[in-house]
Amino acid sequence: AQKITQTQPGMFVQEKEAVTLDCTYDTSDPSYGLFWYKQPSSGEMIFLIYQGSYDQQNATEGRYSLNFQKARKSANLVISASQLGDSAMYFCAMREVSLAGSGYNKLIFGAGTRLAVHP
Amino acid sequence: DTEVTQTPKHLVMGMTNKKSLKCEQHMGHRAMYWYKQKAKKPPELMFVYSYEKLSINESVPSRFSPECPNSSLLNLHLHALQPEDSALYLCASSQKALWDRGNNEQFFGPGTRLTVL
Repeated sequence: AQKITQTQPGMFVQEKEAVTLDCTYDTSDPSYGLFWYKQPSSGEMIFLIYQGSYDQQNATEGRYSLNFQKARKSANLVISASQLGDSAMYFCAMREVSLAGSGYNKLIFGAGTRLAVHP
Repeated sequence: DTEVTQTPKHLVMGMTNKKSLKCEQHMGHRAMYWYKQKAKKPPELMFVYSYEKLSINESVPSRFSPECPNSSLLNLHLHALQPEDSALYLCASSQKALWDRGNNEQFFGPGTRLTVL
């Protein structure tokens, strides 16, 4: 069974500093995809970044980068130059490759990390 | 247009009421999803539609009835709900439902906050 672990229930960071949110995963499938989503208090899940298991380089999207360490099965999100608007819940998710052989997409989410950015 | 819209934003209903949640996307996506999210918990998948056909039902109670009238619309019909069904209901869409190596990210709507009295 696939599993996503986020061990940090809450994190604090000073504005303009960088912060790393941890995510480890467990899967026996050689092909998988990892996602990070941001959920502000308004409720909408906002896609941030994606890393495929076969991608040779770490994914980057603006201030977001993913520290992908395949051997350690970790996919940590790094947010550089934090802004007050980054305060939100952050979810790491993994796409389940197969579902009883049907092959349909299913996202498995971690428990989330609540990030608070202080001025 | 990269937006998924959901109506209503908030819904309060009694246990004997019948109500519906609506979701719409105009990105040409062929897969649509319903998730349930309890407070301080991650979203949990309920249903997946692929090409307007129900592909996955995660053993959801029959008091939740999904419907996909066309490729842009997804409804969730609610009947005889329980107070424990109070949650944020999120709709999402993606280009396709079948897995491949590509990104195929899911775009989420803002959700409907449901309270069952």
